[in-house]
Amino acid sequence: DGGITQSPKYLFRKEGQNVTLSCEQNLNHDAMYWYRQDPGQGLRLIYYSQIVNDFQKGDIAEGYSVSREKKESFPLTVTSAQKNPTAFYLCASSIIGETEAFFGQGTRLTVV
Amino acid sequence: GQQLNQSPQSMFIQEGEDVSMNCTSSSIFNTWLWYKQDPGEGPVLLIALYKAGELTSNGRLTAQFGITRKDSFLNISASIPSDVGIYFCAGQRGNQFYFGTGTSLTVIP
Repeated sequence: DGGITQSPKYLFRKEGQNVTLSCEQNLNHDAMYWYRQDPGQGLRLIYYSQIVNDFQKGDIAEGYSVSREKKESFPLTVTSAQKNPTAFYLCASSIIGETEAFFGQGTRLTVV
Repeated sequence: GQQLNQSPQSMFIQEGEDVSMNCTSSSIFNTWLWYKQDPGEGPVLLIALYKAGELTSNGRLTAQFGITRKDSFLNISASIPSDVGIYFCAGQRGNQFYFGTGTSLTVIP
């Protein structure tokens, strides 16, 4: 089945450690996105990428990094510079020029 | 970044009642999308609207793209317990999506 897969679903890390969240899609979508979701707030854009080896900062990129070495994959690293990393992280993808985004099932990151 | 104004923030309704929620923006969008999110899961696309004035249905769901292109509403008729969740609107412009803050729906059996 085609879709977007995020892993792991739950992740626990100690404060000060970097952690990488995985996002893979087999929809042949060019564009991929990372969002952060906090309780009572909408989705906030962290990074997005429209093509391999290129990505753009979103509204809250500080403390995060990404790579896009393959069309199918867009991993997100939450670095120790992110002041408040505990959140629900959502990955999405879409076809360039089309207007619908499809989401993975999310990763809940808890930093202790 | 822009976030859309979505209302109401939460709703508590009896099973069988109809539900209405809406989204407004200060900017024009090319497409309006409505998503439903269950707890701990990613949002699932319910309805996509592509043209100003468009009215689209998907089962018990009906959504409209406002004439001004700055607003949209979603109606759910004859609610059932599995309608519980958070509903998000999203506007699409260029290669970016802008999201509302969500409407939390609770259906009381």
